[in-house]
Amino acid sequence: GGIITQTPKFLIGQEGQKLTLKCQQNFNHDTMYWYRQDSGKGLRLIYYSITENDLQKGDLSEGYDASREKKSSFSLTVTSAQKNEMAVFLCASSRTGGAREQYFGPGTRLTVL
Amino acid sequence: GDSVTQTEGLVTLTEGLPVMLNCTYQTIYSNPFLFWYVQHLNESPRLLLKSFTDNKRTEHQGFHATLHKSSSSFHLQKSSAQLSDSALYYCAPSMNYGSSGNKLIFGIGTLLSVKP
Repeated sequence: GGIITQTPKFLIGQEGQKLTLKCQQNFNHDTMYWYRQDSGKGLRLIYYSITENDLQKGDLSEGYDASREKKSSFSLTVTSAQKNEMAVFLCASSRTGGAREQYFGPGTRLTVL
Repeated sequence: GDSVTQTEGLVTLTEGLPVMLNCTYQTIYSNPFLFWYVQHLNESPRLLLKSFTDNKRTEHQGFHATLHKSSSSFHLQKSSAQLSDSALYYCAPSMNYGSSGNKLIFGIGTLLSVKP
């Protein structure tokens, strides 16, 4: 087994601020993902990475940057927080082969004032 | 592009009645993996069921689903709903994009509410 940790659990920012979310996994998975979850809109893929130093854009990459510093960690940066924005950001990881099911972290809840 | 269609919105059931959440997917790939994820309130999504094999029933925690490639469907069923089944359910096909890796295709999910 393994675990995914996300920090911080809650993030409060100001409009226009640059904010960074972090994710660590000890599954030894190759692929890591960042999703955004808004009420009523499901899970939307922001960025993913299939190996260290790799980055692939998802459907919602505009307004975000990401960095895969090493195999176990994947960071997401909100480049300019939008006023009244509220969402949960979920990190996930998976193996490259086999069933490729994704395991999710507990999430970071963002509120922008 | 690849996509998934689920029973829309909110499904409200009385405890003890059967559960059926529909899922169909659209892809050019002939061998996708199919997953059902469940997300309870204030938790993150967790895997409920998975399948790769055509016409084979897969079961877990009282839920079951059968992948039918001929109709691109993977409907989730349970014979008797429990209050604890109230949650958001996602059907997600997994696609392999070669050098671009693997992705799950998520829709907006189906919210199941089970009442006493």
